Amino acid sequence: GAVVSQHPSRVICKSGTSVKIECRSLDFQATTMFWYRQFPKKSLMLMATSNEGSKATYEQGVEKDKFLINHASLTLSTLTVTSAHPEDSSFYICSARLTRGNTEAFFGQGTRLTVV
Amino acid sequence: GESVGLHLPTLSVQEGDNSIINCAYSNSASDYFIWYKQESGKGPQFIIDIRSNMDKRQGQRVTVLLNKTVKHLSLQIAATQPGDSAVYFCAEILIQGAQKLVFGQGTRLTINP
Repeated sequence: GAVVSQHPSRVICKSGTSVKIECRSLDFQATTMFWYRQFPKKSLMLMATSNEGSKATYEQGVEKDKFLINHASLTLSTLTVTSAHPEDSSFYICSARLTRGNTEAFFGQGTRLTVV
Repeated sequence: GESVGLHLPTLSVQEGDNSIINCAYSNSASDYFIWYKQESGKGPQFIIDIRSNMDKRQGQRVTVLLNKTVKHLSLQIAATQPGDSAVYFCAEILIQGAQKLVFGQGTRLTINP
């Protein structure tokens, strides 16, 4: 199947700093990527839809200035957690689908963010 | 808002037995329902999906059943193996609009030797 690579897999940062997470589709082009957040023993919560060449669409309650999303190419979307705080610590996961209407979404391996 | 939820948070079965994981959904307009498997520290892995106009679909060792009357979805895993231990999520997608994938709560499946 298609491969989505997420980097880094783990990151520890200090409060107040910013962290960038990359999501790459390695063998296909993805006009749309999705960013999720997952707390321990909880489900995946959709944060935003990343659209290539345009602004991301954020879910209700997600701060767009806090979680900056850039989808500069058909194979790369980035999520930047700005001015991170301990409550931002979480597991962040991206996904992409091959084409619109295709239900099979491919997920990255996730990024474990710890803010100290 | 509408969401997909699960009946049971945990399920333990003996190796070799069949397991059934259940899910209740509330958005009757969803076009597809999908089951994902997530192992610890990893992203979800697609297992099987079913279109809303179907009531059953079979894959390798897995079967998904959809009952639209009671808005219920289930995943049956035959002859469970230790490698089946994971958290299983149901998810739904509406083809119109942004085609967002909405996840349910999740069920942790443990296979006992």
